[in-house]
Order: sequence, then C-alpha cells, then structure tokens
Amino acid sequence: EAGVTQSPTHLIKTRGQQATLRCSPISGHTSVYWYQQALGLGLQFLLWYDEGEERNRGNFPPRFSGRQFPNYSSELNVNALELEDSALYLCASSYNRGWNTEAFFGQGTRLTVV
Amino acid sequence: GQNIDQPTEMTATEGAIVQINCTYQTSGFNGLFWYQQHAGEAPTFLSYNVLDGLEEKGRFSSFLSRSKGYSYLLLKELQMKDSASYLCAVTETTDQAGTALIFGKGTTLSVSS
Repeated sequence: EAGVTQSPTHLIKTRGQQATLRCSPISGHTSVYWYQQALGLGLQFLLWYDEGEERNRGNFPPRFSGRQFPNYSSELNVNALELEDSALYLCASSYNRGWNTEAFFGQGTRLTVV
Repeated sequence: GQNIDQPTEMTATEGAIVQINCTYQTSGFNGLFWYQQHAGEAPTFLSYNVLDGLEEKGRFSSFLSRSKGYSYLLLKELQMKDSASYLCAVTETTDQAGTALIFGKGTTLSVSS
C-alpha cells in the first residue's frame, strides 16, 4: 500500500512568487494535515482538511491557503513568498478526524525562497 | 493555548536505557503522541496515550500523567539506529482554536558505541 506522497520533493522560488505543494493521502484516509518544519522551530501546524472542508488552521497569515479535492488529495498554496517561508512542508493523513489515531507523514517538500 | 517542553538534546550509549521527558500545558487535552524522525526523513508514529499509565511496545514505552501534564518516552536496549529526533505532540481542542495536533520542538538523541 502506498504511503503519503508529496510533490515536488524540492522547490526553489523567488521572493514574491507563489508556490503550490501537493499531497496524496493514504488510500481510505479522509483527513489531511499540513505542517511547516523550519530549522530549529519544530513542526508548526498549518492546516487541517477533512471531507473536502477546512477544519482548522494554525497561526499563519492568509497567504497560506489550501484545499482538499474530492479524491482527498490536497494542495497547499503559499502566496507572496517571503524568505522565512523556506522550510520543509510536511503533509500527513489519517482515516479518523478525531485526532485519536496516528497520522502518517509524507517525506515532505523542501521549499527554498531566494 | 499550549506549551510543550522537551529537552533539546540527549546522548546515550548502545545498550543503555534513556528516558525523554515531555511536559505540556494545554486547555483542552485529548491525547499525547510520540513520533520518531530521522534526519531528512518523515516523522513516524511511536505511541499514543490518552489515559494515565504506561503503554509498552517492544523496546519503547510511553507514560502519561494527565494531572501533572507530563509524559515520558522510555527507550531500552538502545541501538545506533535509535539516533533520531523524538517529537512529543499533544492533541488539543478548544472553542477558540478547534482541534489540532501540536508538536514540541523535539529531542535529538545521539547514541554512541
């Protein structure tokens, strides 16, 4: 069974541009979570989608947005990129929206803003 | 809000036992997870505690005390491959912020021979 897959693996963008990151959850999982892992800061919660709807978002500005498609895959969009957006972006999925089951993480997308 | 504290770094030798502590302050606790993350890789699930007590899974055990806002991960018979970052994460639900899984900054464990 395929795990959580993210694309692209690496992404280099210029300040002010937009970045789109993609995530395919494990088959049967309806919840998708996005995290930012910047150097020295740990995993910071970005967004949670379940059944196509945004269920919760972390303390990030509105230029961080996303969506979940009918097949439960998800996109994370970051507009007006800033240098401090450089980080590893991790996607995770679970089959239960109650947060009481383990979430499986993808390998991440390394975003570099220059 | 939430605050999760764990030591930044720990070192140990092969075959030893190490305990990684995690303290948390949260207003709507729903459960606590431990994840392992090797450098350059995705975090992988180790354990989940929602009730007080010890959960044992092979060489790894996790303990929770909800009244004290405290958990620890116990690693026995350490192996070199256990060198990794160990992440404590708390599930929290509040009226203001909804539900989310909040991670600590992680403890980097270095195992030497």
